[in-house]
Amino acid sequence: TQLLEQSPQFLSIQEGENLTVYCNSSSVFSSLQWYRQEPGEGPVLLVTVVTGGEVKKLKRLTFQFGDARKDSSLHITAAQPGDTGLYLCAGRSRRAQKLVFGQGTRLTINP
Amino acid sequence: GAGVSQSPSNKVTEKGKDVELRCDPISGHTALYWYRQSLGQGLEFLIYFQGNSAPDKSGLPSDRFSAERTGGSVSTLTIQRTQQEDSAVYLCASSPGRMSNEKLFFGSGTQLSVL
Repeated sequence: TQLLEQSPQFLSIQEGENLTVYCNSSSVFSSLQWYRQEPGEGPVLLVTVVTGGEVKKLKRLTFQFGDARKDSSLHITAAQPGDTGLYLCAGRSRRAQKLVFGQGTRLTINP
Repeated sequence: GAGVSQSPSNKVTEKGKDVELRCDPISGHTALYWYRQSLGQGLEFLIYFQGNSAPDKSGLPSDRFSAERTGGSVSTLTIQRTQQEDSAVYLCASSPGRMSNEKLFFGSGTQLSVL
């Protein structure tokens, strides 16, 4: 069974602060994705990482895939209230094509 | 269509009744997923269809849950003899299905409430 553990589950910080969200597993993934979900909507893809050690940047968001392809992190610089939402990591193994999700990190950025 | 469409958007039912939830994926997408999301939580995998292959049903929580995908397009998730613990948002997603690291396109979900 592939399990993805996200931490922290809840995070509330002030506008302008930096934060990091972690996604860990004992399984190796062929690819890992980060999604963001707002209330009443389905998740929307932010990024896909496929190579161990890969780093991708999306404006103030930096995503990293662990060297062993078992973990990932999302770092947000100078958080804005618009960053508020549920952040979900999701992984797919080589053997199973299904995409499994972590339990999510609920992020609140206070003005 | 322009996106993944799910219906109904809200469903209130009584314990013990059967419900059917519908998903219209993006035209041409061969992969279709069903997930369940409890309030504010992550997504629990239910079932995955890929083309004409046998579906991956490993996430269905009990034999009260079943899903079909007709003609490689529309999918229906059926919950028989609903229980209060079935209350959740049921999300459907589709992807083109041709690559292993594809993006999933989600519908807005069906909010199921079992009284």
